[in-house]
Amino acid sequence: DAMVIQNPRYQVTQFGKPVTLSCSQTLNHNVMYWYQQKSSQAPKLLFHYYDKDFNNEADTPDNFQSRRPNTSFCFLDIRSPGLGDAAMYLCATSGDSSYEQYFGPGTRLTVT
Amino acid sequence: QKEVEQDPGPLSVPEGAIVSLNCTYSNSAFQYFMWYRQYSRKGPELLMYTYSSGNKEDGRFTAQVDKSSKYISLFIRDSQPSDSATYLCAMSSSGGSYIPTFGRGTSLIVHP
Repeated sequence: DAMVIQNPRYQVTQFGKPVTLSCSQTLNHNVMYWYQQKSSQAPKLLFHYYDKDFNNEADTPDNFQSRRPNTSFCFLDIRSPGLGDAAMYLCATSGDSSYEQYFGPGTRLTVT
Repeated sequence: QKEVEQDPGPLSVPEGAIVSLNCTYSNSAFQYFMWYRQYSRKGPELLMYTYSSGNKEDGRFTAQVDKSSKYISLFIRDSQPSDSATYLCAMSSSGGSYIPTFGRGTSLIVHP
């Protein structure tokens, strides 16, 4: 089945220790997104790729970086995680000019 | 004022009840209206979408859009315990960016 896969599902890191979250998709979608979702809050868009074109949201902290080496994979790097970065991180994909997003199961990040 | 407002609940109903979930919005450019269902510790999944105004029915679910009032609703008939989840509304405009703006979600609990 075509899907969006995120690894790991749960990640524990220490304050200030870099961490990388990964996302892969078999939908062959051009657009990939990274969202941060905290408890009882709307998903907050961090950035998205339209093919190889990277689009950063204006209020995304510099601490967050992303890489998309090919169509199928996308990575979220948090360079120096703070306690406030503990959240669920959601990867999503969509086709060109499509409002329909397909989400992965998320990675729950804990910062100790 | 946020672009999309949604009461976080929780909304607790007995099995078999009719559930009404609602969102209001301020951006008159929104044309696509979506409802996502998110189970605990999972990513959102697209449940229904509607373009512009009107109703759309899919089994026990009915989505309704009233653009004049900037108000959308999701009705669930004969609610089941398996419907217990968080329901997020999302909406986007046509032309330019299709990236949706999400509500914070309403937590629904259907008890047997």
